[in-house]
Amino acid sequence: NAGVTQTPKFQVLKTGQSMTLQCAQDMNHNSMYWYRQDPGMGLRLIYYSASEGTTDKGEVPNGYNVSRLNKREFSLRLESAAPSQTSVYFCASSEAGGQGSNEQFFGPGTRLTVL
Amino acid sequence: KQEVTQIPAALSVPEGENLVLNCSFTDSAIYNLQWFRQDPGKGLTSLLLIQSSQREQTSGRLNASLDKSSGRSTLYIAASQPGDSATYLCAAYSGSRLTFGEGTQLTVNP
Repeated sequence: NAGVTQTPKFQVLKTGQSMTLQCAQDMNHNSMYWYRQDPGMGLRLIYYSASEGTTDKGEVPNGYNVSRLNKREFSLRLESAAPSQTSVYFCASSEAGGQGSNEQFFGPGTRLTVL
Repeated sequence: KQEVTQIPAALSVPEGENLVLNCSFTDSAIYNLQWFRQDPGKGLTSLLLIQSSQREQTSGRLNASLDKSSGRSTLYIAASQPGDSATYLCAAYSGSRLTFGEGTQLTVNP
């Protein structure tokens, strides 16, 4: 039982390049989330997927797209990377969104630098 | 909009001390509150989840309390150890999302 896994662990991009961050969970959770963590800003929600087939914007969605590929996988895409997107990205999952236990479990993170 | 504040930002204590970390939130209409631990360069580890109907939760040397009416939660760590050194984050779940505080960086000195 690996929990939440993310690939890659580290990535360096040039401005304007694109890439996709991958996330998978093996806990049969319905809800999945993408956050970014920046010094002095804390963790902020980028996008989330309450259930398979649905996605919604979080607090800072500009410059990102997501795909809920199936129940296990939720990817985050940067179409044209900018230096402001240099950050640590975390994926998380929970049994359900809304009311209920909603304990969130986090992956190890992807450290992205955009030059 | 929910805002979560954690005080102090950093705390250094000698080994063996009991300590309290504070978390406050502005919107009391929360479903639950979660405490996490983050080690340098690592992801977040869930420590305790308190549902809105609960007053406290305990796990080993950790005890978290929740007072929705005053918008506060505390994390109590008993008999602190050097291995407890990490950043502790609280997050309040309201609307459809978790809102995080910026964390308290704890150092426990041997």
